Amino acid sequence: DAKTTQPNSMESNEEEPVHLPCNHSTISGTDYIHWYRQLPSQGPEYVIHGLTSNVNNRMASLAIAEDRKSSTLILHRATLRDAAVYYCIPEGGNFNKFYFGSGTKLNVKP
Amino acid sequence: KAGVTQTPRYLIKTRGQQVTLSCSPISGHRSVSWYQQTPGQGLQFLFEYFSETQRNKGNFPGRFSGRQFSNSRSEMNVSTLELGDSALYLCASSSQGLGQPQHFGDGTRLSIL
Repeated sequence: DAKTTQPNSMESNEEEPVHLPCNHSTISGTDYIHWYRQLPSQGPEYVIHGLTSNVNNRMASLAIAEDRKSSTLILHRATLRDAAVYYCIPEGGNFNKFYFGSGTKLNVKP
Repeated sequence: KAGVTQTPRYLIKTRGQQVTLSCSPISGHRSVSWYQQTPGQGLQFLFEYFSETQRNKGNFPGRFSGRQFSNSRSEMNVSTLELGDSALYLCASSSQGLGQPQHFGDGTRLSIL
């Protein structure tokens, strides 16, 4: 299974961009990269996913390195509501690999 | 559109008992997955059901089982409860499976005395 490495915690100021890194150096060629976040006292929430090229949606952008060994989740303007634990998950095409790691706890300061 | 509903929200059991947790997915979703979340182990994948069949399974003992009904609702059962089974149990649904965005419920908090 692809292993991930994420910083334990990060801090950002409100209304500033945030770049959350993830290292997944053992990812296979068919693994998608998923990002979820978990707000306090809630279940995880889907953020974004992609395979090779950069992806954008209303919540965030996902920048995937050309060698696919790392990716970065970009929140363009952090709000207090974005304070959560962010998980990066490589997911294999056989669907039998969907493991959350320890994630990055993001703290947003007003 | 109603979200994923898990019942009950809280449950207290004693060692040796068994428990059944329920999950109602988003209408139209055929895949239901279950996860266990503990402070020590984090979020761990239990299993996934799709169209009433278990399609994927994590590394949990056979005491953990589940099933899915024809209306896609799912139940998870844990037999012979142990203290270490105290956790938040989360259910997620998606249209086609783990590779599609999963929508999570807020979980059932199970405490074992």
